Amino acid sequence: SQQGEEDPQALSIQEGENATMNCSYKTSINNLQWYRQNSGRGLVHLILIRSNEREKHSGRLRVTLDTSKKSSSLLITASRAADTASYFCATSLFGGFQKLVFGTGTRLLVSP
Amino acid sequence: DTAVSQTPKYLVTQMGNDKSIKCEQNLGHDTMYWYKQDSKKFLKIMFSYNNKELIINETVPNRFSPKSPDKAHLNLHINSLELGDSAVYFCASSYRTLQETQYFGPGTRLLVL
Repeated sequence: SQQGEEDPQALSIQEGENATMNCSYKTSINNLQWYRQNSGRGLVHLILIRSNEREKHSGRLRVTLDTSKKSSSLLITASRAADTASYFCATSLFGGFQKLVFGTGTRLLVSP
Repeated sequence: DTAVSQTPKYLVTQMGNDKSIKCEQNLGHDTMYWYKQDSKKFLKIMFSYNNKELIINETVPNRFSPKSPDKAHLNLHINSLELGDSAVYFCASSYRTLQETQYFGPGTRLLVL
């Protein structure tokens, strides 16, 4: 079964508003990553947060990780139309060459 | 300079044909992958190679055969294409292990008629 599930599946906001996306997973992880996919393009890595970290920032992005609840959130502040994309979380389990398992994605639409 | 490149970008073909997709990375990474993204945007790993050695082979029909001539290239050959193979196929790479940041190619949109 899938490791990561994003919520909501779709989110529509106005420019300037904040967007929050959540990711829940089922088993213990080594790290959790967030990726963005613009329409018709490949995925682009945004942030990696390790299991011993609780929060990470990168520009307008803020990621939190709660390992007790097995969940993570991605906050995009002061959103722009260019942030319109699908956002995926990906989790990796402990040990060796464990694969990344991608979630179902949140489709974000930011209207001007 | 393109970090991970794939060719072709679009592939339209008839059922039963054989086709190949090529992938190259110029990042000096040790590990490369093939992913399949279906129409619902669900992304699933198919294969992973580390230094030309196959390390992950998910439950994929044996009509799909990856080949890594060197650590900078990972090609995907598909025999006897079926309608259900229609999807977007992404190549990706990472420095060493699968748990690190992965860099994706632009994707190959395969449509089987």
